[in-house]
Amino acid sequence: ILNVEQSPQSLHVQEGDSTNFTCSFPSSNFYALHWYRWETAKSPEALFVMTLNGDEKKKGRISATLNTKEGYSYLYIKGSQPEDSATYLCATNSGGSNYKLTFGKGTLLTVNP
Amino acid sequence: NAGVTQTPKFQVLKTGQSMTLQCAQDMNHEYMSWYRQDPGMGLRLIHYSVGAGITDQGEVPNGYNVSRSTTEDFPLRLLSAAPSQTSVYFCATMAGFDTQYFGPGTRLTVL
Repeated sequence: ILNVEQSPQSLHVQEGDSTNFTCSFPSSNFYALHWYRWETAKSPEALFVMTLNGDEKKKGRISATLNTKEGYSYLYIKGSQPEDSATYLCATNSGGSNYKLTFGKGTLLTVNP
Repeated sequence: NAGVTQTPKFQVLKTGQSMTLQCAQDMNHEYMSWYRQDPGMGLRLIHYSVGAGITDQGEVPNGYNVSRSTTEDFPLRLLSAAPSQTSVYFCATMAGFDTQYFGPGTRLTVL
């Protein structure tokens, strides 16, 4: 079982603040790193899939970076809005199995208006 | 284009009962998987399939069976439900190593 760690577990920010979260994963036999956004009572929704060391992806105010050599990824949210409130999950299929995704426990973001 | 559908949305079972959670997709994705979500545990992989006729175990397969006779369907069977199987179950599909798409979930309670 892979160890995928996310920090912090939860985060409260004010509207307009910028914030970032970390996902740490085993760097050996890396295939891909996924980020998902999960709103309460809904199903997870894909944000990014990254495969190459140094990858940077952006969608609106949300961006992510990937370091496969040291085994971490950062997710950034610029100018947080209340609608950004959700749990952000990362998942990886590193470690020798290219199909078995292992998820972290997520970072719960609350953006206060 | 319905994407990934799951039925039922909610189910209550008694200990020892059996049932099948249905999952269907119309995206022609080869990869399908089942996860369970429990408080404080995140999403854990139960079983997955990389194509019709091929299934494999995930992180928490005990107590669950799967089969994949068609590309579209991937049912999850509980042969003898236990209270420890109370959870929210998500089915997901993926094309290659690309984006994974989740169904709406099934909330199962075992009394």
